[in-house]
Amino acid sequence: AQSVAQPEDQVKVAEGNPLTVKCTYSVSGNPYLFWYVQYPNRGLQFLLKYITGDNLVKGSYGFEAEFNKSQTSFHLKKPSALVSDSALYFCAVRDRARWNRDDKIIFGKGTRLHILP
Amino acid sequence: NAGVTQTPKFQVLKTGQSMTLQCAQDMNHEYMSWYRQDPGMGLRLIHYSVGAGITDQGEVPNGYNVSRSTTEDFPLRLLSAAPSQTSVYFCASSYYIGSGSSYNSPLHFGNGTRLTVT
Repeated sequence: AQSVAQPEDQVKVAEGNPLTVKCTYSVSGNPYLFWYVQYPNRGLQFLLKYITGDNLVKGSYGFEAEFNKSQTSFHLKKPSALVSDSALYFCAVRDRARWNRDDKIIFGKGTRLHILP
Repeated sequence: NAGVTQTPKFQVLKTGQSMTLQCAQDMNHEYMSWYRQDPGMGLRLIHYSVGAGITDQGEVPNGYNVSRSTTEDFPLRLLSAAPSQTSVYFCASSYYIGSGSSYNSPLHFGNGTRLTVT
């Protein structure tokens, strides 16, 4: 069974500084990895996804994610944080078993990002 | 194109009551799923479906039923509500990897239903 871990409940970064939100995963097959963002009282919005062969993936709002197969990590990054980036961020992993219909998408517990003015 | 629509937005139930949370999508997505979001627990998968007539259990299925009679709709039923089911519920859909129509398709989420059981 797949799993995903976000080791930090919250991350605080000064505006203009680079930010990193950590995610590690465990899957039995090929990793299908995603990052989502949630603003207050809203549903989750897709930010970016891992594309096989690309160790650095670019997504929405200037975010990118670094894939590291040996460390089974998919950390979310942004070179220069904005106050408007303050939100709840979720990492997710999809473990698709090709020999049956099992197709769960499992989320981490989320990391609250605070960008300080 | 409305995306994923959830109703109601808010609901208060008494212990033991039953209700159905509605979810509909107009993107012709084969895959649909229900999650609950609780503080400190992230999103936990309740049930999911890879197509009409097919449903499977997720991480926390107890106390919930689902059915998938059409591609568009995926209702979630609480048969006998309990205070432990107080949560925010999200429905989400995507293309299904097995269909070949899209590779690594992300989930599209509804805006959620906030349920309180007293």
